[in-house]
Amino acid sequence: KNEVEQSPQNLTAQEGEFITINCSYSVGISALHWLQQHPGGGIVSLFMLSSGKKKHGRLIATINIQEKHSSLHITASHPRDSAVYICAPALNTDKLIFGTGTRLQVFP
Amino acid sequence: GAGVSQTPSNKVTEKGKYVELRCDPISGHTALYWYRQSLGQGPEFLIYFQGTGAADDSGLPNDRFFAVRPEGSVSTLKIQRTERGDSAVYLCASSLSPYSYNSPLHFGNGTRLTVT
Repeated sequence: KNEVEQSPQNLTAQEGEFITINCSYSVGISALHWLQQHPGGGIVSLFMLSSGKKKHGRLIATINIQEKHSSLHITASHPRDSAVYICAPALNTDKLIFGTGTRLQVFP
Repeated sequence: GAGVSQTPSNKVTEKGKYVELRCDPISGHTALYWYRQSLGQGPEFLIYFQGTGAADDSGLPNDRFFAVRPEGSVSTLKIQRTERGDSAVYLCASSLSPYSYNSPLHFGNGTRLTVT
């Protein structure tokens, strides 16, 4: 069993839809990152959180440490949100482990 | 300001050759990480430096892989006797301090290594 599970693996949406990407992990962590990777592009860190909720523009990330679960939400999705979103928990040893990512496509 | 810089952006080499991949982290960032990403996969941890020392090299796949960071800034990932299975995008990231202490991680654009 993978230490990090993301769902769904692929997601398509119409512009304006509310998007949710889920991440479950099975190890103890100190924090969790949500990363964004555009096709052929580099990785951008969207959020780092260790508890509760963070919001940045149309993006919201939540984490429940007890349940070992985090979600990334995108409100009013837009075609430019199309990318791969990667959940990356940080182990207590400072090592990041990565999910395989969720490929999001938003159509106009 | 300048972000994390990786050179070269693309490297094609023949099986059995030696390659060096370079990472220039953001100035002042003490933590530096190397990852490898194969097509369709999430990044895979290779090694983590805190300053000049490798704090965790458990992700290096075998002894053909080695990384250094002699002055605590630039890091070089070295691969000996390259194999076709080494083909991947090699990503470098840096942070101001160990990222578990609320320090964001900044990624470079990666070096795409192709072993023919």
